Amino acid sequence: SQTIHQWPATLVQPVGSPLSLECTVEGTSNPNLYWYRQAAGRGLQLLFYSVGIGQISSEVPQNLSASRPQDRQFILSSKKLLLSDSGFYLCAWSPRGGHQVLPFGEGSWLTVV
Amino acid sequence: LAKTTQPISMDSYEGQEVNITCSHNNIATNDYITWYQQFPSQGPRFIIQGYKTKVTNEVASLFIPADRKSSTLSLPRVSLSDTAVYYCLVGDIITGGFKTIFGAGTRLFVKA
Repeated sequence: SQTIHQWPATLVQPVGSPLSLECTVEGTSNPNLYWYRQAAGRGLQLLFYSVGIGQISSEVPQNLSASRPQDRQFILSSKKLLLSDSGFYLCAWSPRGGHQVLPFGEGSWLTVV
Repeated sequence: LAKTTQPISMDSYEGQEVNITCSHNNIATNDYITWYQQFPSQGPRFIIQGYKTKVTNEVASLFIPADRKSSTLSLPRVSLSDTAVYYCLVGDIITGGFKTIFGAGTRLFVKA
């Protein structure tokens, strides 16, 4: 069966520090991968999606970036965090060509102080 | 550009049936309609998906009229644990994959 994992689950980072969140999917190949952010009490905002290795599409201009170095690995990064980057970050995947059912990872709580 | 419109919030009591309607006037021929449930500090969880007419599973029913410009999620006999945010999504197929954009969702609060 397919599984998705992301880490770390929680982190507190100072303003200006770098960020790296990692997401991996097991049990499938060629998945579409997504990064979402959810501010406290708000809806989900699509940040990045990827349809293949090295193929990243950005939905929202920001100081975050994403990379897909391997087929089932998706990384969210920042060189210098802002206070506004605080939130709940979620990774998700969907099968290539399949219907829109998105299993999500466990989520990562980021607090920028 | 928002693709779906849902009520911001709804209140209900335990044991009642809850119907949440979503509008998606610009739904495309190949789009499917999917509903998710999200609890605080957790990722959304798939509830049900449909293309037309009615779909039923062990937790919910989904009603889709012939024009497919709206859909209604029906939760039978809700309990306190059904208090959550419910999202309606319409598939947006792009070359090689999906670009999935969530709306604001509907906050359902179930009271005792």
